[in-house]
Amino acid sequence: QVQLLQWGAGLVKPSETLSLTCEVSGGSFTENFWNWIRQPPGKGLEWIGEISHTGVTTSNPSLRSRVTISVDTSKRHLSLRLRSLTAADTAVYYCARGRAQVGGFSHFSGLDVWGLGTTVTVSS
Amino acid sequence: DIVMTQSPATLSVSPGEGVTLSCRASQSVSTNVAWYQQIPGRPPRVLIYDASTRASGIPARFSGSGSGTDFTLTISSLQSEDFAFYYCQQYQNWPPSYTFGQGTKLEIK
Repeated sequence: QVQLLQWGAGLVKPSETLSLTCEVSGGSFTENFWNWIRQPPGKGLEWIGEISHTGVTTSNPSLRSRVTISVDTSKRHLSLRLRSLTAADTAVYYCARGRAQVGGFSHFSGLDVWGLGTTVTVSS
Repeated sequence: DIVMTQSPATLSVSPGEGVTLSCRASQSVSTNVAWYQQIPGRPPRVLIYDASTRASGIPARFSGSGSGTDFTLTISSLQSEDFAFYYCQQYQNWPPSYTFGQGTKLEIK
């Protein structure tokens, strides 16, 4: 059974960088893309980006200039860095399992496994 | 960018009744739509993908339909645990993109 454990700093100052890590336990790490999603307080969900075990990554165009998503396959970790933070980046950040890729084909059956979320507050 | 618009923002329904939630895409997304349920304080749970396929372990009272730009999630005979927020999501394979609707709150009447 796949489980996602995530951690990182919960309070970050404006203009600084958010850094979060998500560890995947159980199941396959190499057959899926892994995602970051965030949810500001009282608001809806926003997709941040995805990454494969080989490091192929795509991010939301609205965040692309500030986002770095990376992977460490040996540790089964994915990481998120978000630079130049403002109060608008205050949110719960989730990692989640996404589309499966086998051979040249991918299929999305929803973001079907989620971490519990990390609350990040941007404040001085 | 594809925008997903959900309606209504809030729906008040009595337990035991059925309900239909709507989601409209700003352009055709074929059947590349998923639905999620979120209880406050918890991560979302996928209910439906490919517009109408129930995810593993999801009760049969949840059903999805639609294609192109208009999609619905129907819950028959609401149970107490169904009162939550619901989000639709579109997904595109290339380039990969995922967009959520703003959500519908389903509350007890």
